[in-house]
Amino acid sequence: KAGVTQTPRYLIKTRGQQVTLSCSPISGHRSVSWYQQTPGQGLQFLFEYFSETQRNKGNFPGRFSGRQFSNSRSEMNVSTLELGDSALYLCASSFGHETPTDTQYFGPGTRLTVL
Amino acid sequence: EDQVTQSPEALRLQEGESSSLNCSYTVSGLRGLFWYRQDPGKGPEFLFTLYSAGEEKEKERLKATLTKKESFLHITAPKPEDSATYLCAVRSNYQLIWGAGTKLIIKP
Repeated sequence: KAGVTQTPRYLIKTRGQQVTLSCSPISGHRSVSWYQQTPGQGLQFLFEYFSETQRNKGNFPGRFSGRQFSNSRSEMNVSTLELGDSALYLCASSFGHETPTDTQYFGPGTRLTVL
Repeated sequence: EDQVTQSPEALRLQEGESSSLNCSYTVSGLRGLFWYRQDPGKGPEFLFTLYSAGEEKEKERLKATLTKKESFLHITAPKPEDSATYLCAVRSNYQLIWGAGTKLIIKP
């Protein structure tokens, strides 16, 4: 069974640009969550999509947005990039049930560097 | 407010020296506590799910336990390859609340 895939793996952008990251979940999973991870802040929750609808949202500015397609693949977009947006962006997929056995599985991440 | 606290922040052990990592939580209605392992620059790797006080799970040198207020990750006779950051998370309202992690370093 294929795992969660994220593209691209590495990205270098300059301040003011925008970026789109992609995530393909495990087959059968309908929930996709996005996280930002930096050395000083740990894992910070961005948002979660379930069946093409945003179900949860973290405390990030509106420059961070996402969407989910009918095949459960998800994209996140960051507009007007700032230096502080440099981070590892992680995507995790799960079936999306509110049960103890519903586990999030992570992709390898996209390393974004903003210059 | 739902909260997850992990301690210690970092732990250095000699190979073969057993120890425990702690994850304490406050959440209304626990719907699962999760342990992950993360290597530098990689995505977290799922280890265990616990959801009932008294529950225990084992995998190789790792054993996770759960009480009503905290979970422990016991590592027995660790090897250098066990070096990683160990993350704990609890589920609340379809969302995982994450601890900051414990960085474990095992010296040969």
